[in-house]
Amino acid sequence: DAGITQSPRHKVTETGTPVTLRCHQTENHRYMYWYRQDPGHGLRLIHYSYGVKDTDKGEVSDGYSVSRSKTEDFLLTLESATSSQTSVYFCAISENRQGPANYGYTFGSGTRLTVV
Amino acid sequence: DAKTTQPPSMDCAEGRAANLPCNHSTISGNEYVYWYRQIHSQGPQYIIHGLKNNETNEMASLIITEDRKSSTLILPHATLRDTAVYYCIVRVANNAGNMLTFGGGTRLMVKP
Repeated sequence: DAGITQSPRHKVTETGTPVTLRCHQTENHRYMYWYRQDPGHGLRLIHYSYGVKDTDKGEVSDGYSVSRSKTEDFLLTLESATSSQTSVYFCAISENRQGPANYGYTFGSGTRLTVV
Repeated sequence: DAKTTQPPSMDCAEGRAANLPCNHSTISGNEYVYWYRQIHSQGPQYIIHGLKNNETNEMASLIITEDRKSSTLILPHATLRDTAVYYCIVRVANNAGNMLTFGGGTRLMVKP
């Protein structure tokens, strides 16, 4: 989607190195999310944000940290990458509309991360 | 959010209607039914959502049973480009902070 971009699209990194993935939105949505997707596990929530400097953990947050200093940017950091963090990472955004006007999430195109 | 049950895979002939079922027998009164799909290697894409009335948009139709315990997503004239994994999710729609929880979905294969 044009309103949400992820960078980089692909990255190969070595075990033990720090990695930061960026999600950028132009929709001014309040909520942003990071998911990872692995074969056999589907999409799992890592962290999410409900406003600038407001973040919380998802179901698979160990080994990851996030930051949101501006509405438009949500960063996911792997402090010390491990092979188990090889995955496809998706960012999503959502706005806080009430009732039937809430269309759920808009997802980015994903970042394919390989840790060797 | 209520859990959903979907068949793991389905086939459909190109040009025919694809009917994808979803069971959500523990759905609450304020939970909406959402459908997303994920085409290979892309991010999930919103298709449609509804509360209790049938809904239709340019992509699909959503039929929800009167007791709301199940629903069917209908792609009226499936094309090869509709081959994807389809996810049925139920969630409260008045708080965007409620996380979307993705199950296994249904892998739809549209065949020529």
